[in-house]
Amino acid sequence: EVQLVQSGTEVKKPGESLTISCKGSGYSFTSYWISWVRQMPGKGLEWMGRIDPTDSYTNYSPSFQGHFTISADKSVSTAYLLWSSLKASDTAMYYCARHSTPIAAAVSFDSWGQGTLLTVSS
Amino acid sequence: QSALTQPRSVSGSPGQSVTISCTGTSSDVGGYNYVSWYQQHPGKAPKLMIYDVSKRPSGVPDRFSGSKSGNTASLTISGLQAEDESDYYCCSYAGSYTYYVFGTGTKVTVL
Repeated sequence: EVQLVQSGTEVKKPGESLTISCKGSGYSFTSYWISWVRQMPGKGLEWMGRIDPTDSYTNYSPSFQGHFTISADKSVSTAYLLWSSLKASDTAMYYCARHSTPIAAAVSFDSWGQGTLLTVSS
Repeated sequence: QSALTQPRSVSGSPGQSVTISCTGTSSDVGGYNYVSWYQQHPGKAPKLMIYDVSKRPSGVPDRFSGSKSGNTASLTISGLQAEDESDYYCCSYAGSYTYYVFGTGTKVTVL
């Protein structure tokens, strides 16, 4: 069974750094890209960026450019979302999602993590 | 890149059909046959319901169907059931700069 298991709820202060994780199992981790998706409280889904776990090549949404980093460690089948300086506006649920195909255009997100809730407040 | 436009809510009685529209532009929905739809129950992760405009993953009931005309994609739920009450999001490929854009989301209510 394909599973993406994310790290737990986080409560942070503005300016702090954070890394959240997404561990894949039940499939060949390096065969499928992973995307990160944000959902702010009461709002819709927003695509943030994606990573190829084979070589850690990344693409980011122009809407989010520069505020976070996506990385991966294929030796432990885990993708990461990192912030160096959090803002209150980063408060949201964050999901990782597996790409259904390596063809960028034809992608749908066929398996999702359970989500990591991040609250940033002073 | 703006989000794709969906109606805020649609509703129907059990057994009826409802259709959710997803309107974009020629740079996303209209430019590619790669629209997918996701169901999200409150407090849960999204679930893939339709991909490549009209294909259903294994395990998704055949009362869910997808289509596209021009810059607008649609999800139809036939024979509406209580468990279909949920939020639904469309998503489209939007080219090699933006990559993927989601819709604004639609709440389906079963009356």
